[in-house]
Amino acid sequence: EPEVTQTPSHQVTQMGQEVILRCVPISNHLYFYWYRQILGQKVEFLVSFYNNEISEKSEIFDDQFSVERPDGSNFTLKIRSTKLEDSAMYFCASSTGTGDSPLHFGNGTRLTVT
Amino acid sequence: GDSVTQMEGPVTLSEEAFLTINCTYTATGYPSLFWYVQYPGEGLQLLLKATKADDKGSNKGFEATYRKETTSFHLEKGSVQVSDSAVYFCALSDRADDKIIFGKGTRLHILP
Repeated sequence: EPEVTQTPSHQVTQMGQEVILRCVPISNHLYFYWYRQILGQKVEFLVSFYNNEISEKSEIFDDQFSVERPDGSNFTLKIRSTKLEDSAMYFCASSTGTGDSPLHFGNGTRLTVT
Repeated sequence: GDSVTQMEGPVTLSEEAFLTINCTYTATGYPSLFWYVQYPGEGLQLLLKATKADDKGSNKGFEATYRKETTSFHLEKGSVQVSDSAVYFCALSDRADDKIIFGKGTRLHILP
């Protein structure tokens, strides 16, 4: 079964550094998402992306965050200047956007900001 | 806005016990409802779903029925196994092309 793949599985960075989290959605999917899960807490929506533009973003997704689909396969989340509170598990998800297709999630990237 | 409320965990049961994890939702329309499961060290996997009232989603012995009158989607399993130990998330989506909103998750521990 096709999978959403995310790299790296674990990223450690220093506060103030930029990080890029990478995702390869399922190939025939059109809608892409990033979610965040701070350790032990709920899974929070960050942003959705369709037709090469952001379709919705949450309050968490402020100016330090950006998303991009640089080619036909990758979907990236960039955090420009990381803060300690950005430490979390980041999940990428994709879907076809039709009624029978819920979101398919990757295994996540654990981001640790020191 | 739309929201999902699920019972606090952790829930600890013995193997072969009956499981219920309660979930209620608030939504302006008629959302689709989901249960996702997160096994230790892994991502979120869709466990089951229901897209309209009175639908029953089922998978791996788990069931949940979409109850519009009580705005609930409780997860049940008749006989749990140690391998069912995981975090279970109730979730909803207003439209097929919309984001999913998750509950806080319920951690389930099954003792052998």
